[in-house]
Amino acid sequence: ELKVEQNPLFLSMQEGKNYTIYCNYSTTSDRLYWYRQDPGKSLESLFVLLSNGAVKQEGRLMASLDTKARLSTLHITAAVHDLSATYFCAVTRTSYGKLTFGQGTILTVHP
Amino acid sequence: GAGVSQSPSNKVTEKGKDVELRCDPISGHTALYWYRQRLGQGLEFLIYFQGNSAPDKSGLPSDRFSAERTGESVSTLTIQRTQQEDSAVYLCASSLQGLGDTQYFGPGTRLTVL
Repeated sequence: ELKVEQNPLFLSMQEGKNYTIYCNYSTTSDRLYWYRQDPGKSLESLFVLLSNGAVKQEGRLMASLDTKARLSTLHITAAVHDLSATYFCAVTRTSYGKLTFGQGTILTVHP
Repeated sequence: GAGVSQSPSNKVTEKGKDVELRCDPISGHTALYWYRQRLGQGLEFLIYFQGNSAPDKSGLPSDRFSAERTGESVSTLTIQRTQQEDSAVYLCASSLQGLGDTQYFGPGTRLTVL
């Protein structure tokens, strides 16, 4: 059974600081996704990582994938309040993209 | 263009009643997925449609849950004889071909069973 674990589950940061969210998955997977969810809203796609060593960056967020370690990281640089949200990683092993999600990391950025 | 839409946005029902949740995918997307998100938890897969067939319905929690899709369009998730543990946000997503391409999520239906 494919399992996805994120840590930390709760992250309180000060503006301007850096931090990393980790996503571990239990078995070989085809693709890894990062999504953002604002309170009361749906999920917004951030990144899709396809292969070992893949790195993608958008603004203050950078995601990477190590398929050998079955680990993805989401690095936050110089956090700002607008980044406060819940971040989910998800992986798929099927050809049709059935997603298995982590528990989510609730990020709060304080002034 | 228009994204994935779902209705109703909120549904409050009494235990034992049946409910229908609707999803309108992005036009042209052949793949459609239903997920459930319980309070404070990640999303659980329920069912996958390719066109109007459902090759994977392994996530449906019980036979009280069923879903159908009309062509490559609207999908309806039906929960019969609702129970309190069915309370959750039900999210629908669609993707262009269902080959692992990005899934775009709707706003969800918040179901509360009293």
